[in-house]
Amino acid sequence: QVQLQESGPGLVKPSATLSLTCAVSGYSISSGYYWGWIRQPPGRGLEWIGSIHQSGSTNYNPSLKSRVTISVDTSKNQFSLKLTSVTAADTAVYYCARHRPPLDYWGQGTLVTVSS
Amino acid sequence: EIVLTQSPGTLSLSPGERATLSCRTSQSVSSNYLAWYQQKLGQAPRLLIYGASSRATGIPDRFSGSGSGTDFTLTISRLEPEDFAVYYCQQYGSSPFTFGPGTKVDIK
Repeated sequence: QVQLQESGPGLVKPSATLSLTCAVSGYSISSGYYWGWIRQPPGRGLEWIGSIHQSGSTNYNPSLKSRVTISVDTSKNQFSLKLTSVTAADTAVYYCARHRPPLDYWGQGTLVTVSS
Repeated sequence: EIVLTQSPGTLSLSPGERATLSCRTSQSVSSNYLAWYQQKLGQAPRLLIYGASSRATGIPDRFSGSGSGTDFTLTISRLEPEDFAVYYCQQYGSSPFTFGPGTKVDIK
């Protein structure tokens, strides 16, 4: 069974960098597929942030592209998200998921609040 | 960017009734790369349907998807108590991969 688990700070200061990691178990990232990040502001809908292939090839949402970096560490079977220059508008539950596509396995999500 | 519109915003039904949810896209979705997800309060979304009409692993057959081009439908043939949730459609044929705003199915 494929399982994903997000980890990282739950509180980030404005203008700082948000950093999250997604640990994958039950499936080797090196075996293929894309791996993605999605976010959901409180009480609102879903937004795809971007995805990365095990080869390192990335695809980002143009609305966030200038601030987003997604990387993969196949040795640790995990991938990561960095979002720079955050504001209150970046407060959301952040999910990682296997992106075949579609998004077939999801982590439970982690709430990141941007506040001083 | 392909924009998705879902209707209705809220659907109030009783257990045992049929639910019909609509998703329309601003452009034709290539290869019918359209998915439906179910999200319950406090949980991650769960993939129900992909390729417009294929059920994901473990999804009961009361869930079915149909449609093509710009017009897609999710049907729940007989609502079970656990089906009351928010449903999102998503197109994954063209980047950025966009979601609809969701349809909430609540108990009448």
